[in-house]
Amino acid sequence: NAGVTQTPKFQVLKTGQSMTLQCAQDMNHEYMSWYRQDPGMGLRLIHYSVGAGITDQGEVPNGYNVSRSTTEDFPLRLLSAAPSQTSVYFCASSYSKGILNTEAFFGQGTRLTVV
Amino acid sequence: AQKITQTQPGMFVQEKEAVTLDCTYDTSDPSYGLFWYKQPSSGEMIFLIYQGSYDQQNATEGRYSLNFQKARKSANLVISASQLGDSAMYFCAMREVGGGFKTIFGAGTRLFVKA
Repeated sequence: NAGVTQTPKFQVLKTGQSMTLQCAQDMNHEYMSWYRQDPGMGLRLIHYSVGAGITDQGEVPNGYNVSRSTTEDFPLRLLSAAPSQTSVYFCASSYSKGILNTEAFFGQGTRLTVV
Repeated sequence: AQKITQTQPGMFVQEKEAVTLDCTYDTSDPSYGLFWYKQPSSGEMIFLIYQGSYDQQNATEGRYSLNFQKARKSANLVISASQLGDSAMYFCAMREVGGGFKTIFGAGTRLFVKA
């Protein structure tokens, strides 16, 4: 059981480049989300999805796009990378949007550096 | 709006002693859940404990307990008999029904356990 798989683990981008961070889960979870982790700021929600075809913005959505065409996959796109997007990115999934007490399962994170 | 506050950037505790990590939250939603996660230096996120807003008793999971004071909007994590392996970053998180079930996190507290 792979859980939540994020790729790549490390990435260096030049300012203005675009890329997609991949996230896949094999637990049939409805709810998926992307966070960025910066020192002293905890994890900040970028975008989330409550099911295939449904996405919404979190706390810090600017500069990022998402789509959810399948239950399993929730890619995060950086359209034009900026140094301010240097961070560690985590993808997470939960069993159901309708239940409060289901914990999130996290991927191993992607360390992104924009130069 | 949802808000989570962790006011202790860092904490020290002697091995085998108990430690309390503080978490306060703000919400107008009567239905919400509170979570604690541990992030060791390796970077993965580990779910520790959950407390629902309607739960009458404080949650416990092994050496972890959650001191839930609803009127004060606090959800402090208590770790009993600290171990060296407890040294990590600890995050408090909240999920609201009215917030589309999105989960937001506090800034975290880094715990250092001394031998």
